[in-house]
Amino acid sequence: DTGVSQDPRHKITKRGQNVTFRCDPISEHNRLYWYRQTLGQGPEFLTYFQNEAQLEKSRLLSDRFSAERPKGSFSTLEIQRTEQGDSAMYLCASSLMIAEAFFGQGTRLTVV
Amino acid sequence: AQKVTQAQTEISVVEKEDVTLDCVYETRDTTYYLFWYKQPPSGELVFLIRRNSFDEQNEISGRYSWNFQKSTSSFNFTITASQVVDSAVYFCALSAFEGGADGLTFGKGTHLIIQP
Repeated sequence: DTGVSQDPRHKITKRGQNVTFRCDPISEHNRLYWYRQTLGQGPEFLTYFQNEAQLEKSRLLSDRFSAERPKGSFSTLEIQRTEQGDSAMYLCASSLMIAEAFFGQGTRLTVV
Repeated sequence: AQKVTQAQTEISVVEKEDVTLDCVYETRDTTYYLFWYKQPPSGELVFLIRRNSFDEQNEISGRYSWNFQKSTSSFNFTITASQVVDSAVYFCALSAFEGGADGLTFGKGTHLIIQP
């Protein structure tokens, strides 16, 4: 296992379009997290899953955002009706309970 | 509310110099965890250290050392004999939960530039 994998690495989309990102965590990790990072800022927590259950969502996660983790394995983050303000790096991380999180390389979204 | 402040936006030093990255945090929790992550240009956040609030012992790992002072709410990071490969953005983070990334509050990061 080579670590947390995110796809795609880069996405350019037109305002108003929907986009979906995928995250494949480290296989034995039961926790999966999504963060958003804008230029010059630290990552901001969006949501996390323990197995297939979504346990916490930040107020940053508007109703245009939805995340799923079917079967407790990979996860998808969908953004509907994208806005220019959604342009950011979307980071996924995974961990075992009570252990440090390992981050993927992120998906850089540009909304034009 | 939790807050992490990294007052140094950018630091530039010449290779082999020692450099300290400052981190000051705010929390009302009595139990909390502090982290440092490195983010190279590739974008992936690399875990460096986790420290819980009960353990104020300083830690050294090779050229890296960390100074945790609860009295001043600081968790500073020192790189000794810096190398060009140390160039990256470094983030300090705080969590009320043990270990995992749920609820991690990050600082804005310090961009460290090591010049040859």
